[in-house]
Amino acid sequence: GNSVTQMEGPVTLSEEAFLTINCTYTATGYPSLFWYVQYPGEGLQLLLKATKADDKGSNKGFEATYRKETTSFHLEKGSVQVSDSAVYFCALSEGAAGNKLTFGGGTRVLVKP
Amino acid sequence: GAGVSQSPRYKVAKRGQDVALRCDPISGHVSLFWYQQALGQGPEFLTYFQNEAQLDKSGLPSDRFFAERPEGSVSTLKIQRTQQEDSAVYLCASSLGTVATYEQYFGPGTRLTVT
Repeated sequence: GNSVTQMEGPVTLSEEAFLTINCTYTATGYPSLFWYVQYPGEGLQLLLKATKADDKGSNKGFEATYRKETTSFHLEKGSVQVSDSAVYFCALSEGAAGNKLTFGGGTRVLVKP
Repeated sequence: GAGVSQSPRYKVAKRGQDVALRCDPISGHVSLFWYQQALGQGPEFLTYFQNEAQLDKSGLPSDRFFAERPEGSVSTLKIQRTQQEDSAVYLCASSLGTVATYEQYFGPGTRLTVT
């Protein structure tokens, strides 16, 4: 079956530091890949997505590139802010059953001023 | 416009009680999903509706879990004879279409605690 593995947190870093959260996946087909974010006290929100190999998703300074050869979709941001403190979830969908999502376990990121 | 809403936001149930969790999706959204999120983990798929049809219930953990969406809008997730392992946040999501290009919008969740 499908699965998503992402680095465990918490990740603690200082403002303006570089952030990378690793994500790898296992899928039987050709999935679409997503990063969702959950800010404190809020619901899950889509951060970015990529639907085919070599696509780069980007939003709010975050980027992730769909790497089929390494089955990876690592999230990066060049200069984090305190407001980026949140839990980040990598997810995939193979389009079956209306596009149900398979999530990783989440990575908590804490940015200190 | 309004997003996905869920009620109640918090529910405490004694073991053995039945509970019903409600989801109001975004108006016009065809697809509706339920997910279960245990503490410190990622959400796990429970079931999927396309309009009123329940097309996938492969994630429901036992026959104590039942979901419906009779008119293709509001959905209810019912858990019978609750047990402690049912304690989790139950998330509802809806999307306009049925393929990956359509974003899933999540509600705030219902936190269920079984004592």
